[in-house]
Amino acid sequence: DGGITQSPKYLFRKEGQNVTLSCEQNLNHDAMYWYRQDPGQGLRLIYYSQIVNDFQKGDIAEGYSVSREKKESFPLTVTSAQKNPTAFYLCASSPRLAGVGTDTQYFGPGTRLTVL
Amino acid sequence: GENVEQHPSTLSVQEGDSAVIKCTYSDSASNYFPWYKQELGKGPQLIIDIRSNVGEKKDQRIAVTLNKTAKHFSLHITETQPEDSAVYFCAAIVPAGEKLTFGTGTRLTIIP
Repeated sequence: DGGITQSPKYLFRKEGQNVTLSCEQNLNHDAMYWYRQDPGQGLRLIYYSQIVNDFQKGDIAEGYSVSREKKESFPLTVTSAQKNPTAFYLCASSPRLAGVGTDTQYFGPGTRLTVL
Repeated sequence: GENVEQHPSTLSVQEGDSAVIKCTYSDSASNYFPWYKQELGKGPQLIIDIRSNVGEKKDQRIAVTLNKTAKHFSLHITETQPEDSAVYFCAAIVPAGEKLTFGTGTRLTIIP
């Protein structure tokens, strides 16, 4: 059963703590993405990675960090430096096609992070 | 960089009527335009997409049209049903682009 999994579905964190959100895909996609979504809002890009061991900042990278040690995994760490971390976090992946670049993105089910 | 505007932000239609959501893009080089449906508490799901070499694509009650000259594309949903209620996002990407540019979303409500 192919797809993108995110865990946990709900996550609670005390203020000042770092927390890591998991994202795994078995679609053999090269590119992976992290988005943040606030209530009633659109998708804002946090970080993305086109290939293993490489990643780029998106539009709102401050207070977040990522790693891409394996093709299938792209964990996101929300650090204590992120001032308003409560949000819905979405991971996505996409194949990279020669001469085309990235193509259709497929999203995971999301992780809802709440800071207490 | 690419900029995508989406209208309207909210849309209410009677069950059985049609719904149309429109997006405009700024980069004439953009060549791929997907549409996503997001239900409450879930991740967005791709429902239809179109590439710049065609003007229209249909999948049952859903269709997307593309006007490259005017740089806009639209989602059409016919015979709407309650399960069509969701937030819809459009997106665009240029050739060899590394990331999609998303519209701000349209909350569609189907009135029974």
